[in-house]
Amino acid sequence: GESVGLHLPTLSVQEGDNSIINCAYSNSASDYFIWYKQESGKGPQFIIDIRSNMDKRQGQRVTVLLNKTVKHLSLQIAATQPGDSAVYFCAEINNTPLVFGKGTRLSVIA
Amino acid sequence: ETGVTQSPTHLIKTRGQQVTLRCSSQSGHNTVSWYQQALGQGPQFIFQYYREEENGRGNFPPRFSGLQFPNYSSELNVNALELDDSALYLCASSSERGPGGDNEQFFGPGTRLTVL
Repeated sequence: GESVGLHLPTLSVQEGDNSIINCAYSNSASDYFIWYKQESGKGPQFIIDIRSNMDKRQGQRVTVLLNKTVKHLSLQIAATQPGDSAVYFCAEINNTPLVFGKGTRLSVIA
Repeated sequence: ETGVTQSPTHLIKTRGQQVTLRCSSQSGHNTVSWYQQALGQGPQFIFQYYREEENGRGNFPPRFSGLQFPNYSSELNVNALELDDSALYLCASSSERGPGGDNEQFFGPGTRLTVL
């Protein structure tokens, strides 16, 4: 069946370094992808999205890259800060509700 | 804060009991989606309500049911609770059915349900 998954369950990054969180998806028909950040005790918070007709989209300190050939999605966070510590989920959509992956926990080392 | 509120924040029930969780959507939003998030997992879609009607359902048994009211607030009801129902239950509201395009889903903080 279709699934959304993440390569690494945990990621530790030094404060100030760049973070890269990866995600693999299997539904080639998915046309919209979202990255969410979930802090402890809170619901998922939208970070950035990208449509399948794009391969890169930039926001404030974040960049999402989409490689449709290998069905891979990544989230890059520049100059990682302690406040970036959270679990990050990618989610895919194809005329269906959000399908989330398991998540990657990002820990920022001061 | 997203403007989506959920109640209660925490709840403890025993097996076989019934539970009702509540969600108030963000102002101007007519669509509410419910998700179950087990510990260490990503949220799993339960169902979506659009203008008071169910609009899509995930792989959950019929003992999971819901309602949406004229003010677009929503309830999730779970009958005959099982231990595996222990999870964080999230609701998300959006301005139109489906999360695509500009119809971003805004999540509430969730209700933590523990079934003993």
